[in-house]
Amino acid sequence: GQQVMQIPQYQHVQEGEDFTTYCNSSTTLSNIQWYKQRPGGHPVFLIQLVKSGEVKKQKRLTFQFGEAKKNSSLHITATQTTDVGTYFCAGLLLKGAQKLVFGQGTRLTINP
Amino acid sequence: SAVISQKPSRDICQRGTSLTIQCQVDSQVTMMFWYRQQPGQSLTLIATANQGSEATYESGFVIDKFPISRPNLTFSTLTVSNMSPEDSSIYLCSVARANYGYTFGSGTRLTVV
Repeated sequence: GQQVMQIPQYQHVQEGEDFTTYCNSSTTLSNIQWYKQRPGGHPVFLIQLVKSGEVKKQKRLTFQFGEAKKNSSLHITATQTTDVGTYFCAGLLLKGAQKLVFGQGTRLTINP
Repeated sequence: SAVISQKPSRDICQRGTSLTIQCQVDSQVTMMFWYRQQPGQSLTLIATANQGSEATYESGFVIDKFPISRPNLTFSTLTVSNMSPEDSSIYLCSVARANYGYTFGSGTRLTVV
């Protein structure tokens, strides 16, 4: 079946360091979405990328969608303790029923 | 984005019993989605609930175990039937919003003992 692979599974950084998580789909996606889940919370939508090669920024967060619409990345510059949480990518399949497939998530912890 | 009220927020249940989880959305939506998130894991889609038709279940999930109701465009329930400890998980409902991704309920943390 369709899979969305995400790495790394865990990342621990010092506050102020950068962080990147990568997402790769086995099939071409209609769009890719990113979510953040704080410990004990539910996933919260961050952004959606639709176009091939698209790049979007939200303050210190930069999101990219690959040219083939199969991979994506999230980069956080100069992490802060408020960035702690698990970041999930989720791909909306190009064909068939509307179904959002989540990656495994990257759990980010930060040493202040 | 949509506001979803999900309840109960948590429950501890005896094995063999059933629990019904409710989700109320503040606006009408065509599809509602039910996910399961096991501790420390990703989200797995259980089923898609459309108003006026039977839910569509994903591989590994069956209607007898996870019956879903969708009586109108703002409400849905998921029942976890004949529970076992393996059903201990967080269950989340969600709705899609064009250009705004999915909005999730706050989740139901289920522990089966």
